[in-house]
Amino acid sequence: GENVEQHPSTLSVQEGDSAVIKCTYSDSASNYFPWYKQELGKGPQLIIDIRSNVGEKKDQRIAVTLNKTAKHFSLHITETQPEDSAVYFCAASSNTGKLIFGQGTTLQVKP
Amino acid sequence: GAGVSQSPSNKVTEKGKDVELRCDPISGHTALYWYRQSLGQGLEFLIYFQGNSAPDKSGLPSDRFSAERTGGSVSTLTIQRTQQEDSAVYLCASSLVGFREIYEQYFGPGTRLTVT
Repeated sequence: GENVEQHPSTLSVQEGDSAVIKCTYSDSASNYFPWYKQELGKGPQLIIDIRSNVGEKKDQRIAVTLNKTAKHFSLHITETQPEDSAVYFCAASSNTGKLIFGQGTTLQVKP
Repeated sequence: GAGVSQSPSNKVTEKGKDVELRCDPISGHTALYWYRQSLGQGLEFLIYFQGNSAPDKSGLPSDRFSAERTGGSVSTLTIQRTQQEDSAVYLCASSLVGFREIYEQYFGPGTRLTVT
């Protein structure tokens, strides 16, 4: 069935360093890949997304890359700040709109 | 504008009781999704509404779970005869819908359900 694998499960970086989170998906029909940030006690917040007709997308300190052949996509956060500390989820969707989520990555940015 | 709202924010119920969880989507969003977030299972899809109909109910874990949507807006997720394994955060999301186009899903804050 549909599956999304996310690594690492936890990530600790120094403030100012970069953080990279990677996901793989199984359903070749997937064509939409959003990333969500979830802070404690809140719902997931969409931070960036990418569609299958694009290989890379950037928004300030955040970028996402997609390799459709390998079924890989990654989130890159540069110049990390303490407020970037949260749980990050990747997801994949086909035209049904249903999101299949990865298991989440807890990012800790140390001041 | 206003985001997705959910009520109640917290619900504690006794095993065997029924509960109703409510979701108010973003105005104009015709698609509505329910997800469940639990410690052991991560974020799981439950059901998808397009308008008032539910073309995908594949994630509902048992026949104790049901959902409806009226007027193309508010949705209610009902869990009958609650069990301890139903304890989780129930999240609602909404989005626009287009022909062969996927739009961004925006989530509400969730309802934390605890079954004692």
